[in-house]
Amino acid sequence: DTGVSQDPRHKITKRGQNVTFRCDPISEHNRLYWYRQTLGQGPEFLTYFQNEAQLEKSRLLSDRFSAERPKGSFSTLEIQRTEQGDSAMYLCASSLRTSGSEKLFFGSGTQLSVL
Amino acid sequence: GQSLEQPSEVTAVEGAIVQINCTYQTSGFYGLSWYQQHDGGAPTFLSYNALDGLEETGRFSSFLSRSDSYGYLLLQELQMKDSASYFCAGDKAAGNKLTFGGGTRVLVKP
Repeated sequence: DTGVSQDPRHKITKRGQNVTFRCDPISEHNRLYWYRQTLGQGPEFLTYFQNEAQLEKSRLLSDRFSAERPKGSFSTLEIQRTEQGDSAMYLCASSLRTSGSEKLFFGSGTQLSVL
Repeated sequence: GQSLEQPSEVTAVEGAIVQINCTYQTSGFYGLSWYQQHDGGAPTFLSYNALDGLEETGRFSSFLSRSDSYGYLLLQELQMKDSASYFCAGDKAAGNKLTFGGGTRVLVKP
């Protein structure tokens, strides 16, 4: 299967701990996005990359969040000093940047629970 | 906060037609996308309108009127498997990041 994969599927951590999530996009896709979704809400944009360059980061994102895409392939999202409010589903999506519309392919997400 | 507004929930019976409206701020979006998400699943792409008018893809159609800052998704011949959440999403320019609405939960009853 060549879809977007995310690891782990679930993560339970204690408040104050650091966590890191991984996303492997569809191989030929040059854009990679991170979104966060809480129950009953739509996905909320966090950041995105075109190849290895991080082009935009949400103003809502605190300094505790950092994302990388070192070789323009997989990406990691790290949350430092987790807080209970960080509990959410973290979704990764990839797309092939063209001159037209953007169709995002989402992974199944990482469900984070901060105790 | 979200700048695209959708009804929170719609209930309909199998075979019926459902229209999900999406309105957005006039400062506005270039194009409008629609995604479907089943409980516990990933959002999946349904349609994109870059131009005003109706786009039809099988049982689903999507409409955009940028002058009215309004769009809708039309689900026809509803099936049980259509029970899911549906999100409209706007982009500020072609190929730019998507901003999602809060979603509409559609419940299809027998």
